[in-house]
Amino acid sequence: DTAVSQTPKYLVTQMGNDKSIKCEQNLGHDTMYWYKQDSKKFLKIMFSYNNKELIINETVPNRFSPKSPDKAHLNLHINSLELGDSAVYFCASSQGPHGQYFGPGTRLTVT
Amino acid sequence: DQQVKQNSPSLSVQEGRISILNCDYTNSMFDYFLWYKKYPAEGPTFLISISSIKDKNEDGRFTVFLNKSAKHLSLHIVPSQPGDSAVYFCAATSNTGNQFYFGTGTSLTVIP
Repeated sequence: DTAVSQTPKYLVTQMGNDKSIKCEQNLGHDTMYWYKQDSKKFLKIMFSYNNKELIINETVPNRFSPKSPDKAHLNLHINSLELGDSAVYFCASSQGPHGQYFGPGTRLTVT
Repeated sequence: DQQVKQNSPSLSVQEGRISILNCDYTNSMFDYFLWYKKYPAEGPTFLISISSIKDKNEDGRFTVFLNKSAKHLSLHIVPSQPGDSAVYFCAATSNTGNQFYFGTGTSLTVIP
């Protein structure tokens, strides 16, 4: 069974569109995260949720809105997509500080 | 401001020899330090961690060393195997685990 799953794996869309990426974890973890890996391969935290509550919100444009309907899910909705949003987005979960489990990533390409 | 740094973007090692990957951090309040391994087109995989109250943690071929006075940690892989070829990220976090700070990664190539 996949511990952290993301859908879709690939997403190609045009500028100005709205898209969502879904994430689910079946590990019973309390904390879930969204990361962006840019062209320089740097993993940058975007959001962190603990028990459905937003606890970390880095300087991310308002066009990005996370939603956590329950502890096992953290979805990412992006409005008005821009070329600079092209990246790989990773979802992750953890229980405290003892290591995160990452999803396989979603490669977003904005044309 | 990057709180966790990996200054070597790449490293090549012969199979069977030791691989040493290095990481520096700036925030003395971090409670845990972690290493992740990442293959292309996959998410990072947790490898090994160490608490700030320890100076060494070992798991099979992988050992992490922590030098708090120097704000430095390293990952030793002995013996290195071709399957270890991947990008290795170090990370740091507080006791809550609410936020993990990642380095920029070191690409390890183990030459058969």
